[in-house]
Amino acid sequence: ETGVTQSPTHLIKTRGQQVTLRCSSQSGHNTVSWYQQALGQGPQFIFQYYREEENGRGNFPPRFSGLQFPNYSSELNVNALELDDSALYLCASSPDRAHEQYFGPGTRLTVT
Amino acid sequence: GQNIDQPTEMTATEGAIVQINCTYQTSGFNGLFWYQQHAGEAPTFLSYNVLDGLEEKGRFSSFLSRSKGYSYLLLKELQMKDSASYLCAVREIMNTGFQKLVFGTGTRLLVSP
Repeated sequence: ETGVTQSPTHLIKTRGQQVTLRCSSQSGHNTVSWYQQALGQGPQFIFQYYREEENGRGNFPPRFSGLQFPNYSSELNVNALELDDSALYLCASSPDRAHEQYFGPGTRLTVT
Repeated sequence: GQNIDQPTEMTATEGAIVQINCTYQTSGFNGLFWYQQHAGEAPTFLSYNVLDGLEEKGRFSSFLSRSKGYSYLLLKELQMKDSASYLCAVREIMNTGFQKLVFGTGTRLLVSP
C-alpha cells in the first residue's frame, strides 16, 4: 500500500462524454503526476502538478486537463472522450518533484 | 526524444535467476527506476540507480551503465509470485528543471514450477 488512492476504480463512458478522475496523494506529498497506460503498454506521462501549478506536460491534447487542490489531492479531466482513451489511468505522488513516485491503484476507463 | 527498449516477454523456472535488460536513449538523464506491475494493479517501486554500478536489495539487484545507456534487473531465487510485468523507467530532467518518468513497454515475466 502506497497511501495513494484513486476513484472510481472502474468507469464506463460513451464517446463524446466528459470524465473526471480523482487522486488523493500520500500525506506530505506536494507533487502528483498522471499517466495513461493502454493495455500491454508502459505508462505514458500526461502531466505533473506541483503545489497546485502544472509543472510539465506530455504529448496529450488540451482536452486532457487537471487540477491540484490546496490539500494536494488532484483531478484529471478528459473532454470529448474517444475510443482510444480507454486505458488504466494512474496517478503517482511524490514528496517533491525530484523524488521517487508512489502509484495509486489506478482507474480503469472504458469508452464505448 | 527518448527511446527505451526491453524484451516483451521472458520465461523462467521457480528457483532460477533471470536478468531483464533495458537500453535507453534519452537527453537529460537523471536516474533509472525499475517497477513491478501485477496484472490489473499499479506499478510498485523496486529499485533506483543514478550512478553506475550495482544496487542490491534482497533477491533483486539492478545495474546501471550510463555510458552504454544500459541497465538490467536481476531476480534471484525466483518465486511464482514474481510472475508480473517489469517496467524500466528513465527520469528525464528538462532545462526548465521539470523532471518526468519515461517508461518502457514492460517485460512480462512468467515463472513456471
